[in-house]
Amino acid sequence: GAVVSQHPSRVICKSGTSVKIECRSLDFQATTMFWYRQFPKQSLMLMATSNEGSKATYEQGVEKDKFLINHASLTLSTLTVTSAHPEDSSFYICSAPGQGARGANVLTFGAGSRLTVL
Amino acid sequence: GNSVTQMEGPVTLSEEAFLTINCTYTATGYPSLFWYVQYPGEGLQLLLKATKADDKGSNKGFEATYRKETTSFHLEKGSVQVSDSAVYFCALSAGVNTDKLIFGTGTRLQVFP
Repeated sequence: GAVVSQHPSRVICKSGTSVKIECRSLDFQATTMFWYRQFPKQSLMLMATSNEGSKATYEQGVEKDKFLINHASLTLSTLTVTSAHPEDSSFYICSAPGQGARGANVLTFGAGSRLTVL
Repeated sequence: GNSVTQMEGPVTLSEEAFLTINCTYTATGYPSLFWYVQYPGEGLQLLLKATKADDKGSNKGFEATYRKETTSFHLEKGSVQVSDSAVYFCALSAGVNTDKLIFGTGTRLQVFP
């Protein structure tokens, strides 16, 4: 079945620096990827839809300049948290529509990236 | 707007106990409903789904029935195993882009031998 790989799984950075998180679809192509954010004991919140070859679509309330999304190829989307601050500390998860074991369209999730901003 | 509410955890059970994790939703139109499971260190995986009222999704001994009258999609399993310990997320999709999911807060299940 489809696999989505996220890197890094954990990152710690200083306040004011930028951090890039990669989301790769392995063995399948993804023209669309989704980025979620999860706070402790809260839902996964959809941040944006990443579109290969065009601009990302951001959900209401998500700062485009803060969370830069680039979908450079059919297998890679990146989320860059710019000028990170402690309130950006969170668990970031990506997903992509891919084919499951039985050929059905399945939304496949990465294992997530935990960002801690000091 | 659309939303999903699920019971808070953790849910702690002994092996072979009966499991119920409640999930209710608010949505316009006719959403599809999902249960995802996240094992430690892994990504969310689709456990089961139902796309219309009265549908029952089932997988690995887990079941959930789409109840439009009560706007619910409760997850059940007759006999849990230690290996079922994970976080379970209820979710819905509505609108044109069915890949856009709205999730509940997740419920951690801990099963002890």
